[in-house]
Order: sequence, then structure tokens, then C-alpha cells
Amino acid sequence: EDKVVQSPLSLVVHEGDTVTLNCSYEVTNFRSLLWYKQEKKAPTFLFMLTSSGIEKKSGRLSSILDKKELFSILNITATQTGDSAVYLCAVVFNTNAGKSTFGDGTTLTVKP
Amino acid sequence: NAGVTQTPKFRILKIGQSMTLQCTQDMNHNYMYWYRQDPGMGLKLIYYSVGAGITDKGEVPNGYNVSRSTTEDFPLRLELAAPSQTSVYFCASNRDTYSTDTQYFGPGTRLTVL
Repeated sequence: EDKVVQSPLSLVVHEGDTVTLNCSYEVTNFRSLLWYKQEKKAPTFLFMLTSSGIEKKSGRLSSILDKKELFSILNITATQTGDSAVYLCAVVFNTNAGKSTFGDGTTLTVKP
Repeated sequence: NAGVTQTPKFRILKIGQSMTLQCTQDMNHNYMYWYRQDPGMGLKLIYYSVGAGITDKGEVPNGYNVSRSTTEDFPLRLELAAPSQTSVYFCASNRDTYSTDTQYFGPGTRLTVL
């Protein structure tokens, strides 16, 4: 059965801390891995990863994929209260329809 | 562009009632999806469509139906609502699945079945 597992389930840090969120997967037909940020509403896209070892970076956020060990990490440096959200990881299957399966998310709380 | 729009934002149904959740996108995207998100969980795919007239089941299709008569619209029909269908429903779309897997999400519909 295809599955995506995120850890930790929740995390509380203080402003300025650095956090690492994990996403491991077991799927039969991998095409890409996506990270989304969800703040009490619709998920918004952060990164799409398809190749191992190539870091994607956007400001204080970065992500990397390891296709051999079947995991990805999302790093956030110098966290701010605005980073508080649920971070979702999704794996897209290599099919025409672009179907995906999501992990249950990591809830990040950043305290002032 | 309005992107992906969903109506209604909130709805309370009684057990056994039916309703249609509306989803419209103005980006000319071929691919559209319906997800449900239960509290503390990720998104589960209900149905998807790769173009007008073509739909298929996702992970959790029971109790739902869809249609896709136009590129823009992808309504989700709930027949005989049950408490287990209490959830937040998201519609999403994608331009194509060859150049990107990024999906654009609507704001969601919060449904409660009592």
C-alpha cells in the first residue's frame, strides 16, 4: 500500500529557531514530491522535488529529496510566527492523471 | 484570474439530505480534483478529472458523485449525507501533468452532517 509518513506530528519552537520537517514515503510509482503550507485554509504550494540531492530554496525555506532512502526534508531557518502552519507533504504518482497521496502533516507552532 | 472558487463556504446538512459542492476554475486547467480533509489529517482524494467528460475515482469515492461537463466546472454531489462525511472539502486544479505537478486549491467548503 502506498503511504506517506510525516514527522514529527507537531512541533513548538521559538522565533529564530531552525526546524527540520521530515517526509518519508513508500510508493510504487513515484514521480515527484511536493511540499505545501496550510494556514487554516487551502494549502499553498512551496516546492516540487523530482531529483535526488538538488536543493530547492526560497528565502528561509529549503527542501531536498533522497530517492534512494525515500525521504525528503523541509528546513526553515530563523523561524517567525508567520511560519506557524501545517506543512503537508504529497507524493505524485507517475500516471497521466497526476494523482497524489498526502501525509497527515506536521503542525508547526512558532512562539514569539 | 479568480483561480479556483468553491461554494458554499460552510454548510450544515441533516442525515440523509443531499447537496452539491460547486467548484469552478478560470485558468483553463484540464485536471481537477476533489479532496476531503478530516481534522488532523492529510488530504484524501475523492474523485478526479483529466478533462471535460472524463472522471475517475480516487481513494475514498463512496457516497459521492461527480460530473465534468465543461473545463471550468467540477461539481461534487453528496447523496444521502452521513455523519462520516463531516469534513472540509477542497477542490484543486492543475494545468497539465507533464510540466508540473503543482495543484492550485480552492478555499474549501466546511461541511457538517448532523
